Amino acid sequence: NAGVTQTPKFRVLKTGQSMTLLCAQDMNHEYMYWYRQDPGMGLRLIHYSVGEGTTAKGEVPDGYNVSRLKKQNFLLGLESAAPSQTSVYFCAIKISRGYGYTFGSGTRLTVV
Amino acid sequence: AQSVTQLDSQVPVFEEAPVELRCNYSSSVSVYLFWYVQYPNQGLQLLLKYLSGSTLVKGINGFEAEFNKSQTSFHLRKPSVHISDTAEYFCAVSEGPGNAGGTSYGKLTFGQGTILTVHP
Repeated sequence: NAGVTQTPKFRVLKTGQSMTLLCAQDMNHEYMYWYRQDPGMGLRLIHYSVGEGTTAKGEVPDGYNVSRLKKQNFLLGLESAAPSQTSVYFCAIKISRGYGYTFGSGTRLTVV
Repeated sequence: AQSVTQLDSQVPVFEEAPVELRCNYSSSVSVYLFWYVQYPNQGLQLLLKYLSGSTLVKGINGFEAEFNKSQTSFHLRKPSVHISDTAEYFCAVSEGPGNAGGTSYGKLTFGQGTILTVHP
C-alpha cells in the first residue's frame, strides 16, 4: 500500500486508556478517511477529511475524534477506549486524479 | 445516501468451479461501484471498478463484474476459481458523476463482505 502509512500496526489497550492512530500520506491528496472493520459488518466510516483543517463525522463517529492539522496526516483518537472499539482500523485516501482509493495496511486494536 | 447488500455471507466452492458473489446497491443518484478483496490478515486490494461505459468490467486475477442498473446489482464472477482465491470480498459504492450539489465527498459505502472459501 505504497503512499499510505498507518501506525501502529497492533495495539492492546485497557478500558479507559487513550491512544492516537496516525495515517500519513506521502502524496498531496485532499480526501482522507478512517474506517473500522468488524466481522460481518464490512467497513464503516468513522470520520473523514476533505482538506487540511477540516474534518467531518461518518457513520460511526461516537467515541472517536480526529484532526487534520497537516495535509499529509490524519489522526484518529480514542479518548477513553471501550471494548466495543476492538476492531481493525483502516485509513484510506481518495486519489485526486482519476477515481480510486489507496488503503493503509490497517491497525488491529484490542481493548480489554 | 447509498447502501450495499451482499447477499451471501459465505460461499464455499470447489477448486476450478465457477463462482458468483452477489451485490445489490441502493442509491437515489448515479454511482461508482467497486469490488475489493482482502486476504487473511491483509489490507484491501482493488479487484475492479465500474465508473462508466461498458457494463461488463474485467479486473485482476480473472474476475469480472457486470453492472445492471435496472436491477441495481454488481455481481462478481469468476469462471474457474483457485485455492488462492480464498479471501473475503467486499462490494462498495460511492456517489457518481453529475450529481449536482452532491456532498458525499467520495465516501465509500461497503457491503458486509462475502467470505469465499475454495476447497480442493
